[in-house]
Amino acid sequence: DAKTTQPTSMDCAEGRAANLPCNHSTISGNEYVYWYRQIHSQGPQYIIHGLKNNETNEMASLIITEDRKSSTLILPHATLRDTAVYYCIPRSTGGFKTIFGAGTRLFVKA
Amino acid sequence: EAQVTQNPRYLITVTGKKLTVTCSQNMNHEYMSWYRQDPGLGLRQIYYSMNVEVTDKGDVPEGYKVSRKEKRNFPLILESPSPNQTSLYFCASSSATGGVAEAFFGQGTRLTVV
Repeated sequence: DAKTTQPTSMDCAEGRAANLPCNHSTISGNEYVYWYRQIHSQGPQYIIHGLKNNETNEMASLIITEDRKSSTLILPHATLRDTAVYYCIPRSTGGFKTIFGAGTRLFVKA
Repeated sequence: EAQVTQNPRYLITVTGKKLTVTCSQNMNHEYMSWYRQDPGLGLRQIYYSMNVEVTDKGDVPEGYKVSRKEKRNFPLILESPSPNQTSLYFCASSSATGGVAEAFFGQGTRLTVV
């Protein structure tokens, strides 16, 4: 499984875009990039995933570099409720494990 | 509503007293798993199940048992709990066995062993 590097914490002003980077330079060809978030001590929540194309859904956008060694999760208009720990997780289609790293603690401030 | 339900949400017990944390999902998912979360150590996988009667160890299986007799249920059993099993536990399920599918998590069970 690929290892990931994410900033420990980030701040974002309410209403502004939050851009959360993730480095996954050892990602293999069959590994998708998943993003989850965990608000306080609730169960993690799925946000988005992608393989090599950029993806967008109602929650966020995912930008994956052409070499697939890094990605950025974009919350277009962050709100106070987006304050959470965000996890970037490479996961292969044949793997049974979802390995959570330390993630990025995002603070959205009024 | 699609959901993963864990019970109980909070439990305080004494060392050595067997306990079971239940997990049930209503999405007909094949894949289910258990995690524990501890400060500074993040989420670690305890056991997972690819389908009924098929289970395997995760990264921290010692002191835990699981069973998967029905597709919807995946209980976590602590035969003889110890204080180092005090933790926040999460159950998760997904539709594809290791495939491209999002995982749904329960709301967690906070266990304290004294």
